[in-house]
Amino acid sequence: QVQLQESGPGLVKPSETLSLTCIVSSGSISSYYWTWIRQPPGKGLEWIGYIYYSGTTNYNPSLKSRVTISLDTSKRQFSLKLTSVTAADTAVYYCAKGMDIFDYWGQGILVTVSS
Amino acid sequence: DIVMTQSPDSLAVSLGERATINCKSSQSILNNSNNKNYLAWYQQKPGQPPKLLTYWASTRDSGVPDRFSGSGSGTDFTLTITSLQAEDVAVYYCQQYYSTPTFGPGTKLDVK
Repeated sequence: QVQLQESGPGLVKPSETLSLTCIVSSGSISSYYWTWIRQPPGKGLEWIGYIYYSGTTNYNPSLKSRVTISLDTSKRQFSLKLTSVTAADTAVYYCAKGMDIFDYWGQGILVTVSS
Repeated sequence: DIVMTQSPDSLAVSLGERATINCKSSQSILNNSNNKNYLAWYQQKPGQPPKLLTYWASTRDSGVPDRFSGSGSGTDFTLTITSLQAEDVAVYYCQQYYSTPTFGPGTKLDVK
């Protein structure tokens, strides 16, 4: 049973960098893909990208220029950085296990972009 | 990107009755080499993350009640909930993973 928990600032200023971390508190972090997905308030889901335990990444083309996902296996965590944020980046950010089928999810963290 | 659409936007069904949610992809998500449809369904209850229900269009995830079933192929898919229970009230999303993953806009299911 894999458990995931997001953490990070709930408020980010426009033009700054959003940084979030997801801790994998049970289950192995190796041999799996780890993904970030977001959901603007009251709206649908958007895939941001994934990282494989080997370090291979793949990002949504619509966000690729602003996104970096990294992995620290020793800390059992992976991270999301999204640069140059605007109000349109306000959303609940979820971390999840899987490359394309997401079978375990964190509870999500609301990040608001506002000055 | 493959665009996913869902219908209806919302529906209300009586307890014990059948609920049917439709999902359509803008292009075929059937891989002819392995005969698999790259389609998943998720259930999201208020304040909770989505929960995986089915993948490969019709394979139920572990622990998902058998009243949930997925069907369809190519561009047209259906999630059917037989004998609706009160705990099934949620928003349901389809998602394709044939290419860059994209989700449908969701269908809100309530009890009539």
